[in-house]
Amino acid sequence: EVQLVETGGGLVQPGRSLKLSCVASGFTFNNYWMSWTRQAPGKGLEWVASITNSGGSTYYPDSVKGRFTISRDNAQNTLYLQMNSLRSEDTATYYCTRGNLSPFDYWGQGVMVTVSS
Amino acid sequence: NTVMTQSPTSMFISVGDRVTMNCKASQNVGTNVDWYQQKTGQSPKLLIYGASNRYTGVPDRFTGSGSGTDFTLTISNMQAEDLAVYYCLQYNYNPFTFGSGTKLEIK
Repeated sequence: EVQLVETGGGLVQPGRSLKLSCVASGFTFNNYWMSWTRQAPGKGLEWVASITNSGGSTYYPDSVKGRFTISRDNAQNTLYLQMNSLRSEDTATYYCTRGNLSPFDYWGQGVMVTVSS
Repeated sequence: NTVMTQSPTSMFISVGDRVTMNCKASQNVGTNVDWYQQKTGQSPKLLIYGASNRYTGVPDRFTGSGSGTDFTLTISNMQAEDLAVYYCLQYNYNPFTFGSGTKLEIK
């Protein structure tokens, strides 16, 4: 059974940093692109970052480029999202997602990040 | 950025209805469109990939169609468990962009 378990969320002050982790199981992690997608409270979905299966290439929308860094440890079956210079508009549930037939064919349960003073 | 415009924003439906919702892309995205279902309090689930391909385990009452700029998700014989918000996604261009969702509610 595919499982994606996110951790590392919480309350953080504007301008500070936070690092999310996602532990994957039930599939061969290093065969798949992985991504992070987020959803602000009561709002729609927004793609945040993607990384190739080897980790050699990463992709971001302009809204987080230069502030967020996606990375992975294929030996540990773990995906990361380092978030720096956090803003109130980064407040959201962050989902770890697997890419295969689709960029986001399987989603974790999500982890909440709240940016507030 | 490619804007995905979903319509309608919400629909009031009855069990057994045939439901059709739409997604219009601001530029040609080929068939690089997915549809996702998100029930209240849950993470989204992939329903349709590549505009018209049903994902593993998705009931055949869900059908996706379209190409270019106009896409449709149809639910034949609506069931109570299908109450959810449905999102389209284009992944033809960076950044990937979602529509704002269509919410299905009971009439």
